[in-house]
Amino acid sequence: SQKIEQNSEALNIQEGKTATLTCNYTNYSPAYLQWYRQDPGRGPVFLLLIRENEKEKRKERLKVTFDTTLKQSLFHITASQPADSATYLCAPFFNQAGTALIFGKGTTLSVSS
Amino acid sequence: DVKVTQSSRYLVKRTGEKVFLECVQDMDHENMFWYRQDPGLGLRLIYFSYDVKMKEKGDIPEGYSVSREKKERFSLILESASTNQTSMYLCASGSGGPEGNQPQHFGDGTRLSIL
Repeated sequence: SQKIEQNSEALNIQEGKTATLTCNYTNYSPAYLQWYRQDPGRGPVFLLLIRENEKEKRKERLKVTFDTTLKQSLFHITASQPADSATYLCAPFFNQAGTALIFGKGTTLSVSS
Repeated sequence: DVKVTQSSRYLVKRTGEKVFLECVQDMDHENMFWYRQDPGLGLRLIYFSYDVKMKEKGDIPEGYSVSREKKERFSLILESASTNQTSMYLCASGSGGPEGNQPQHFGDGTRLSIL
């Protein structure tokens, strides 16, 4: 079965630094991959989608890369701010798994001022 | 702005009760999903639906059923609630039908406690 691993449960960085979160998957290669942000007590909010034929996607201070050889996606937040503190979930979509996303367990990012 | 509304933020029920969790979306999305989220286990898919009256089992359907009589409404039913069903339940919707691969929009969840 598919396995999704996000690099660590928690990541602590200082304001202004770049946060890098990792999402690794096994077996099948996803057709695309989504990243979500979740704040405590709230539902996840969609941030970015990257397709298998795209190497990189950007949105403001966010950047996502997708390496199908390494079976890995990296999620970067540049010039991080305390307001970026949240849990970030990666969600690959595997055609072989039907029509539903498979969510990673998430990485909780804490940005200190 | 898109909106997914779950009927209750907090709910307390007793073991053996039949529990209904309701979810309504206002975006005319074909797809709707029910997840539960537990510490250390992440988001797990219970059921999803890509059309009215259609349903598909997710990863953990045991002890649950769903109903989708109207496009905008997707209900999760706990047939006979048990303490191991205490969890945060999240509803989501998205466009795309059976080949759905569009972003999902989530409600803010129902924190259900079974005593």
